[in-house]
This record gives sequence, C-alpha cells and structure tokens, in this order.
Amino acid sequence: SQTIHQWPATLVQPVGSPLSLECTVEGTSNPNLYWYRQAAGRGLQLLFYSVGIGQISSEVPQNLSASRPQDRQFILSSKKLLLSDSGFYLCAWSNIKGAVFYTQYFGPGTRLTVL
Amino acid sequence: SQQGEEDPQALSIQEGENATMNCSYKTSINNLQWYRQNSGRGLVHLILIRSNEREKHSGRLRVTLDTSKKSSSLLITASRAADTASYFCARGGGSEKLVFGKGTKLTVNP
Repeated sequence: SQTIHQWPATLVQPVGSPLSLECTVEGTSNPNLYWYRQAAGRGLQLLFYSVGIGQISSEVPQNLSASRPQDRQFILSSKKLLLSDSGFYLCAWSNIKGAVFYTQYFGPGTRLTVL
Repeated sequence: SQQGEEDPQALSIQEGENATMNCSYKTSINNLQWYRQNSGRGLVHLILIRSNEREKHSGRLRVTLDTSKKSSSLLITASRAADTASYFCARGGGSEKLVFGKGTKLTVNP
C-alpha cells in the first residue's frame, strides 16, 4: 500500500532563517506531487505541483521554492522566511498519469511557526 | 475566485442528527470530490462524483451534484461525535490539479 511521510511535524523558525520541508511517498512510482499551505481555519492554497522529476509548476509567486530530486521525494524550501510563511504545510500525491480523475492523498502535515 | 465555496462555514449539531454541507463553484468540472480533515491532520478523501452523475452514496455519506446550478451537497446521516472535522469540496477539471474550497467546520455534540 502507499504511504506518504512529511517531516518535521512541527517547526519554529526565526524570521530570515532558511527552510527545508521534506515529503516522501512509498509504494507508488511516478506520482504527481503537491505542496499546499493552509492558514489557520482556512482552505488549502496550492503552492507547487510536480508531474515528474525536475518538473515543478509554481502556482503562487512568493519566497518559497520546490524541488523534486527523486521520483518520490518533494522538497519545499525558502532562503529567508517571512512571518507570513507561518501555516500548516501539506504534501499530497495523486494517481497515475493519464487518469481522468485525480484523487489526492495527503501527508500528516508540518506546522510551521515563524517568529 | 476559482475556489469552491462551502456553506455554512461552521455547523454544530447533536449526535444522531443529519448534517448537510453545500459547495458551489464557478467554472466547469469533470468531477467533484469531498475531503475530511480532522484538526491538525492531513485531508482524507471521502467520495468522488463525476460530472455526469447526480447522486452517490458511501456508507452514511450521500453526495449530490447539480451541474446546472454548479453546486454539490454532502449529507452525513445519523452523525456521530467522531464525525467532528472540517469538510472540503474540491473541484477537478481534468488536469492534475484540484481546487479546494474553504471548508465547513462540523461539530457533532454528544
């Protein structure tokens, strides 16, 4: 069966510090991968998605970046965090290429607090 | 906004009652999905309804879709305290992306 991992689970970082969040998927190959941010009590904002290694689509211009160095690894980074980067970050994967419908499967999330 | 919009934003009911949440959207879809999120956790997929379907059931869940009104509803029957969570609709347009709404926060009181 497929599983998705995110770490760390929680993170407290000072403004201006770098960020690296990691997401890995097991039990599937060539998944689509997604990074979302969820502000407190709000909906999900799609930040990046990737349909393959090295292929990143950015949805929202900001000081964040994403990379996919391996098939089942997705990394969210920042060189300098802002207060507004605080939130709950969710990674998700979806099923096979060429599917008509893409159900997404989410990781447990990372709670980031920027102070 | 391309987001789906759920209403109500918050709903509080007693155990055993039914809970109905609605979702409206603005652009065309080929499917609409509902997800559940327990506090501080990731989302879990509940049900997918295709654009050519009008109603779908899964256990105590019933989803309807009215493409002419661009709306969907999620009904949870005989609710339980464990159903307390936020519920999101997500619009699928046939690409790899889903567009999520802002969610309905459901509280089921024992």
